[in-house]
Amino acid sequence: EVQLLESGGGLVQPGGSLRLSCVTSGITFSTYAMSWVRQAPGKGLEWVSGISSSGDTTYYADSVRGRFSIFRDNSQNTVYLQMNSLRAEDTAVYYCAKARDAVVVVNTAFDCWGQGTLITVSS
Amino acid sequence: EVVMTQSPATLSVSPGERATLSCRASQSVNSHLAWYQQIPGQAPRLLIFGASTRATGIPARFSGSGSGTEFTLTISSLQSEDFAVYYCQQYNDWRKTFGQGTKVEIK
Repeated sequence: EVQLLESGGGLVQPGGSLRLSCVTSGITFSTYAMSWVRQAPGKGLEWVSGISSSGDTTYYADSVRGRFSIFRDNSQNTVYLQMNSLRAEDTAVYYCAKARDAVVVVNTAFDCWGQGTLITVSS
Repeated sequence: EVVMTQSPATLSVSPGERATLSCRASQSVNSHLAWYQQIPGQAPRLLIFGASTRATGIPARFSGSGSGTEFTLTISSLQSEDFAVYYCQQYNDWRKTFGQGTKVEIK
């Protein structure tokens, strides 16, 4: 069974930093691209960032570019999201999501999602 | 950035009836279109990818169609567990944008 488990959420002040982790099991992690998707309270889904299976290619939404950094450790089956200079509008549940197709980074949907971790940015 | 627009925002349907949800892309996304179901308090679940292919374990009452800029998700006979929010997503572009969602509620 494929499982994705996020952690690292919590309350942080504006301007602060936080690192999210997503540990996976049940897959050959190193063959799949991964992404982070967020959902603000009562709102829709927003793709945030993606990373290739090898980790050498990364993508960011305009809303987070320059502030967030995605990286992965294939030896630990884990993908991370380093979030700096946090703003109130970053408040959301953050989900990690697995690419459906091995190796493919762009032209693939998300077939497995974690349960999400809540980030609240507030003073 | 490809903008995805879903309609209607809310769809009121009686159990056993058919539901038809629409999704429009601001430019062609070929068949790189997915549909997700989200039940409140839960993570999204992949229903359809490639515009018309059901994901593993998805019942046959869910079907997708379309290509280019116009897409449809049809639920042939709504069951109680189908009342949820549905999102379309394009993955033709690396910015994998979502529509704003359609809430399917009990009439």
